[in-house]
Amino acid sequence: QSALTQPASVSGSPGQSITISCTGTSSDVGGYNYVSWYQQHPGKAPKLLIFDVSKRPSGVSNRFSGSKSGNTASLTISGLQAEDEADYYCSSYTSSNTRVFGGGTKVTVL
Amino acid sequence: QVQLQESGPGLVKPSQTLSLTCTVSGGSISSGSYYWSWIRQPAGKGLEWIGRIHISGSTNYNPSLKSRVTMSVDTSKNQFSLKLSSVTAADTAVYYCARDNTSGGVTTSFDYWGQGTLVTVSS
Repeated sequence: QSALTQPASVSGSPGQSITISCTGTSSDVGGYNYVSWYQQHPGKAPKLLIFDVSKRPSGVSNRFSGSKSGNTASLTISGLQAEDEADYYCSSYTSSNTRVFGGGTKVTVL
Repeated sequence: QVQLQESGPGLVKPSQTLSLTCTVSGGSISSGSYYWSWIRQPAGKGLEWIGRIHISGSTNYNPSLKSRVTMSVDTSKNQFSLKLSSVTAADTAVYYCARDNTSGGVTTSFDYWGQGTLVTVSS
């Protein structure tokens, strides 16, 4: 199974909004509403931010939102803050009953 | 609050078998409500899903690792385990265990993660 495609890096100034894309195929992202997003700070375990494309777990800021169109899912961070500087990964269920991750996106707050 | 903790050798020789255990606290694996996964991350690289297991013994593995992976569960100890055989330097990574949030048996996300443990493959 091939990794989902994410941009290597995205940057923005404090207060701005940024969007990270996650492109797959009709066998994963496009075929199911089981896309999730994770935030990972250096040396830490990933943290679940979004599940089922657009749902937020309890305790996750509403500055994080998810969406999907066709084979591409997106994570938007609004009101960018210094603490948002981290790596972000998408993940999807696949038609083979497995999970696949994206290559990760490094978010830099300018 | 569910917590997961990985344990096992930090150094494994090439061609040998990597063995890790994940101990779950704050919740019972025996509830059968979840699958339990292993995920790894080489230094400076992305996440790779290795596979998952249910207390029923049902497993699903990453096709690229399937021939070398075995997972098991010990409900008496509230633990699940990973064995990866014939390891090479390419298997050097931080290994995470995680709880699968599931819907109808489908893993929809990973909602709880262990802190991760570094396994280095070297002679």
